[in-house]
Amino acid sequence: EPEVTQTPSHQVTQMGQEVILRCVPISNHLYFYWYRQILGQKVEFLVSFYNNEISEKSEIFDDQFSVERPDGSNFTLKIRSTKLEDSAMYFCASSEVSNNSPLHFGNGTRLTVT
Amino acid sequence: GIQVEQSPPDLILQEGANSTLRCNFSDSVNNLQWFHQNPWGQLINLFYIPSGTKQNGRLSATTVATERYSLLYISSSQTTDSGVYFCAVVRYSSASKIIFGSGTRLSIRP
Repeated sequence: EPEVTQTPSHQVTQMGQEVILRCVPISNHLYFYWYRQILGQKVEFLVSFYNNEISEKSEIFDDQFSVERPDGSNFTLKIRSTKLEDSAMYFCASSEVSNNSPLHFGNGTRLTVT
Repeated sequence: GIQVEQSPPDLILQEGANSTLRCNFSDSVNNLQWFHQNPWGQLINLFYIPSGTKQNGRLSATTVATERYSLLYISSSQTTDSGVYFCAVVRYSSASKIIFGSGTRLSIRP
């Protein structure tokens, strides 16, 4: 069964550094998402992406965050200047259509900012 | 926005027991999914069930959309069922995002 893949599985970075989290969505999916889960808390929506542009973003997704689909397969989340509070598990997801098909999640990237 | 509430927040059971997890949502939804987050943090898709009943082995789920709730049933629990179970919903007016509940933490004791 096709799956969403994320790399790296764990990233440690120093405060103020830039990080790029990478995702390869399922190949025939058109909608892509990033979610975040701070340890012990619920999974929070960050941003959705369709047709090479952001379709919706949450208040968490401020100017420090950006997303890109640099080629036909990858979908990336960049954090420009990491803060301690950015430490979390970051999940990528994709779906065939936006509203009436299930989201498929990757295994996540655990980001630790020191 | 739409609110998603899950109950109970925590559940501790002996291996072999049955359990029912509940998800209430505050408005009509067009998509509902149940996920299991295992101890390694992975989100495993259990059911896509905007309405009706589905079964997969020892797990089944029922969504009554008109009454705004969904139930996840786990029968004959095993220790590998431990983890956090999340309900997540989509509503057309928030077309491009899925909203998660706070989860039910299930611990199965051997």
